[in-house]
Amino acid sequence: QKEVEQDPGPLSVPEGAIVSLNCTYSNSAFQYFMWYRQYSRKGPELLMYTYSSGNKEDGRFTAQVDKSSKYISLFIRDSQPSDSATYLCAMEGGKLIFGQGTELSVKP
Amino acid sequence: EAGVAQSPRYKIIEKRQSVAFWCNPISGHATLYWYQQILGQGPKLLIQFQNNGVVDDSQLPKDRFSAERLKGVDSTLKIQPAKLEDSAVYLCASSTRTTRAEQYFGPGTRLTVT
Repeated sequence: QKEVEQDPGPLSVPEGAIVSLNCTYSNSAFQYFMWYRQYSRKGPELLMYTYSSGNKEDGRFTAQVDKSSKYISLFIRDSQPSDSATYLCAMEGGKLIFGQGTELSVKP
Repeated sequence: EAGVAQSPRYKIIEKRQSVAFWCNPISGHATLYWYQQILGQGPKLLIQFQNNGVVDDSQLPKDRFSAERLKGVDSTLKIQPAKLEDSAVYLCASSTRTTRAEQYFGPGTRLTVT
């Protein structure tokens, strides 16, 4: 079993839709939970990170962590074509462990 | 603030050849990381430096990969000899000592081994 599981997609939605991206993990020692965005042929870019369970909001993005279920989510409201990218979840427990990434396409 | 710089951006070599990648982290960032990202997968940590000392190299294939960070700033990652399965993007990232969770990535070097 992988330490971090992420549905690779691809996921295609119309502009303006609400997008939900999810990851599950197995290691209860993970303390920090991150979401990175990676455009084609670019390095990952940190979007948000959270510590412990709960929600964190930043503009159109909301990160949610449920440590009891070992489940994290990223919600994107009013999605835009510029949000089209691969979204990687990552967990930190001494080092970063990344999920496989979900490829998102937002159609105008 | 300048970001993480990497070169070259692309490299094509034949198997059994050697190759080297260079990284210059964000100024003042004590921690430097090298990741390997195979197509369709998330980045996998190869090695982590704190200043010029190695913190974690548990996933570095030491029979063919080597890395150094002289003077605690720039770093080079070398592969010798390369195998077909080394084809990947090699990403460099840096962070401050106290915010390991916030890593800043360079654009990566795309390596193709033929």
